Amino acid sequence: AQRVTQPEKLLSVFKGAPVELKCNYSYSGSPELFWYVQYSRQRLQLLLRHISRESIKGFTADLNKGETSFHLKKPFAQEEDSAMYYCALSTSGTYKYIFGTGTRLKVLA
Amino acid sequence: GAVVSQHPSWVICKSGTSVKIECRSLDFQATTMFWYRQFPKQSLMLMATSNEGSKATYEQGVEKDKFLINHASLTLSTLTVTSAHPEDSSFYICSASLGTHEQFFGPGTRLTVL
Repeated sequence: AQRVTQPEKLLSVFKGAPVELKCNYSYSGSPELFWYVQYSRQRLQLLLRHISRESIKGFTADLNKGETSFHLKKPFAQEEDSAMYYCALSTSGTYKYIFGTGTRLKVLA
Repeated sequence: GAVVSQHPSWVICKSGTSVKIECRSLDFQATTMFWYRQFPKQSLMLMATSNEGSKATYEQGVEKDKFLINHASLTLSTLTVTSAHPEDSSFYICSASLGTHEQFFGPGTRLTVL
């Protein structure tokens, strides 16, 4: 079955602390994985895609096919990082997304 | 670039009436548009995939006669909630794709059915 799992509903960290938001997937094909962020009262925005291997706003994510994971990391959290983060898997051919349930990140001062 | 708009941003209607929500790609031609539903504090659930000029493909459990989708042009898709009931109250989000894996999301429409 195709599935994306984000085990943490809420993650609270202090400013300056490292952050890791977990994402695991289940997919028989070759996965295309994304992280989207939704700030308060705003639309979903693309944060990262695994294929580009870039760093946006200090965030990185590495696809680990062996562990079927695509965890999002940032070494030093900022208060402005507080938002809802969604991991998404795009399926081959149809380009449909399967979203994880999301993790709310709260960065405390 | 790649901006998607939705109209209206919110709507309140009486039970039994129909409501139309528009999704537009403002600066690009969208090969495919997607419609999602998001319940409070929950994730996005895909309702249907819409390709210009063809019938929408609905996800399992989504009533195609209740949620009518029309994709008349490469920049416009509409979702009509027919005979709306209070349980249809939700946040509806559309996204558009250029035919790649990346989707561009609209700001969403909050529907409240009284």
